[in-house]
Amino acid sequence: GIQVEQSPPDLILQEGANSTLRCNFSDSVNNLQWFHQNPWGQLINLFYIPSGTKQNGRLSATTVATERYSLLYISSSQTTDSGVYFCAVLMNTGGFKTIFGAGTRLFVKA
Amino acid sequence: EAGVAQSPRYKIIEKRQSVAFWCNPISGHATLYWYQQILGQGPKLLIQFQNNGVVDDSQLPKDRFSAERLKGVDSTLKIQPAKLEDSAMYLCASSHSGAGTDTQYFGPGTRLTVL
Repeated sequence: GIQVEQSPPDLILQEGANSTLRCNFSDSVNNLQWFHQNPWGQLINLFYIPSGTKQNGRLSATTVATERYSLLYISSSQTTDSGVYFCAVLMNTGGFKTIFGAGTRLFVKA
Repeated sequence: EAGVAQSPRYKIIEKRQSVAFWCNPISGHATLYWYQQILGQGPKLLIQFQNNGVVDDSQLPKDRFSAERLKGVDSTLKIQPAKLEDSAMYLCASSHSGAGTDTQYFGPGTRLTVL
């Protein structure tokens, strides 16, 4: 089946630093989402991004579907950015199936 | 607009006991998903409903897990009997149509501990 790999697995930043998280996938996908899971376990949608680039405040994402990767950029990181960032790909297997990566665990120090 | 509701938020049971989780999706959302998230891993899809029909349950351990979505609105996920390895966060999500252009919205989850 399709493999979804995220890197780095863990990341520690000083508040104010920038970072790039990567998601590689092994097969063609119909869509891709980025989520942030806060320390209480709530998953929040960040981007729905099958291709191209989107920006929302300090966050932006780029997906290059032909090369099977997506990047999430966090600029001027804040302590509230801490948590786990997941990418999830959608495949059409007769119905649309969602597969998550293992996540990048981010800790932002004050 | 109200989000996805789940209950209970936490549950502690002993192995071989039964447990049930409830989910109410966002109003008007046709597609409902149940995920299992083991500590340190990404969520794994257990079952996906389109209205009250099952679209995908290929990763649902059917010997002990069952799920239903009567009337195509809220849903229950049951485990009977529970095993130690079922300790996990159980997440419910919903989307408008289940099509490839949909965004999934997640509830707060139910954290299950099996002793």
